[in-house]
Amino acid sequence: KAGVTQTPRYLIKTRGQQVTLSCSPISGHRSVSWYQQTPGQGLQFLFEYFSETQRNKGNFPGRFSGRQFSNSRSEMNVSTLELGDSALYLCASSLATGGDTQYFGPGTRLTVL
Amino acid sequence: AQSVTQLDSHVSVSEGTPVLLRCNYSSSYSPSLFWYVQHPNKGLQLLLKYTSAATLVKGINGFEAEFKKSETSFHLTKPSAHMSDAAEYFCVVSEVVKAAGNKLTFGGGTRVLVKP
Repeated sequence: KAGVTQTPRYLIKTRGQQVTLSCSPISGHRSVSWYQQTPGQGLQFLFEYFSETQRNKGNFPGRFSGRQFSNSRSEMNVSTLELGDSALYLCASSLATGGDTQYFGPGTRLTVL
Repeated sequence: AQSVTQLDSHVSVSEGTPVLLRCNYSSSYSPSLFWYVQHPNKGLQLLLKYTSAATLVKGINGFEAEFKKSETSFHLTKPSAHMSDAAEYFCVVSEVVKAAGNKLTFGGGTRVLVKP
């Protein structure tokens, strides 16, 4: 079974631009969660989508948003990019929600100049 | 609220010697606990998971972890380190409450260096 895939793997953007990252979960998984990893803040939870509904949200500004499609694929969007948004963005999928094991993709490395 | 503290930010071991990575947690509900490993420029790989079935959990690549409720600890061990174990390790807690959704809380990570 194929693992979690994320596209693109690398992105370079400039301040003020917006960006969309994509995540395809493991086949049959209905929950997709997003995390931001930075050297200073470590790994932080962004949000979770389950059956096309946002179930849970971390402590990030409204510039960070996401959605999930009927095939469970998910996208996250960051608008008005700031230098501090430079990070590795990780997507994880699980069969269900509520503490189920999450399997991670390789991440998208976003650099904001 | 849940939180995780990894007691060592860096651990250095010699190849063939035991590895111990320490983790303490707090959680309002019965938690699920995980250890993940991240090799350089890679995503996170699941090593093992605790879900209350047994206090000693065996994972991949010879790793195991022991859940101690009285000490709120979930330490990770391996009897004999290999060069390929050099990576960053994360202790993670997730509350097993359906209404809470899936939200993982990560420790700060322990970077393991293996010396030949």
